[in-house]
Amino acid sequence: GAVVSQHPSRVICKSGTSVKIECRSLDFQATTMFWYRQFPKQSLMLMATSNEGSKATYEQGVEKDKFLINHASLTLSTLTVTSAHPEDSSFYICSASGTQRPNTIYFGEGSWLTVV
Amino acid sequence: GENVEQHPSTLSVQEGDSAVIKCTYSDSASNYFPWYKQELGKGPQLIIDIRSNVGEKKDQRIAVTLNKTAKHFSLHITETQPEDSAVYFCAASRGNQGGKLIFGQGTELSVKP
Repeated sequence: GAVVSQHPSRVICKSGTSVKIECRSLDFQATTMFWYRQFPKQSLMLMATSNEGSKATYEQGVEKDKFLINHASLTLSTLTVTSAHPEDSSFYICSASGTQRPNTIYFGEGSWLTVV
Repeated sequence: GENVEQHPSTLSVQEGDSAVIKCTYSDSASNYFPWYKQELGKGPQLIIDIRSNVGEKKDQRIAVTLNKTAKHFSLHITETQPEDSAVYFCAASRGNQGGKLIFGQGTELSVKP
């Protein structure tokens, strides 16, 4: 079946630095990718929606200059957390959907970000 | 705005018993309802989904029912096993939003041997 891969699975960075998380669709073309943030014991919070070749649409309250999203190809989207702070520490998850089965969403394995 | 309510937040059952998780949604235009299983430290895994043109779908021990009139949908797990223990999320989306999912709050299912 469809597979979405995220990298890295875990990353530790220093305050003030930037970190990039990649999301790849391995066996289908992802026309739309989504980025979520999840705190412990909470549900997934949608941060932004990205369509290949166009600018991401951010949810209310999400800083687009802090969370840079790029969806340059049909198989790759990246989330860059800029000038990271400890409060940015969280579990970030991407998901993807494609035209092969509209509205079927597959999730990546998630990336644990710890800012020290 | 769009909202999905999920109950219960925690559920504990004995191995072999059935487990039922219920969700309600507010957006009457929603037409796709997936269920995800999330194990600790991992991303959500799609376990079953249902679209608005059907009322019930079954896959081995897992079934989902949908009542569009009442805007309810439920997950049923029969003959539960310890490996079913995880957090389960329901979600809803509209077809014209490219798959933007609105998630429920999650249910932590614990299956005791």
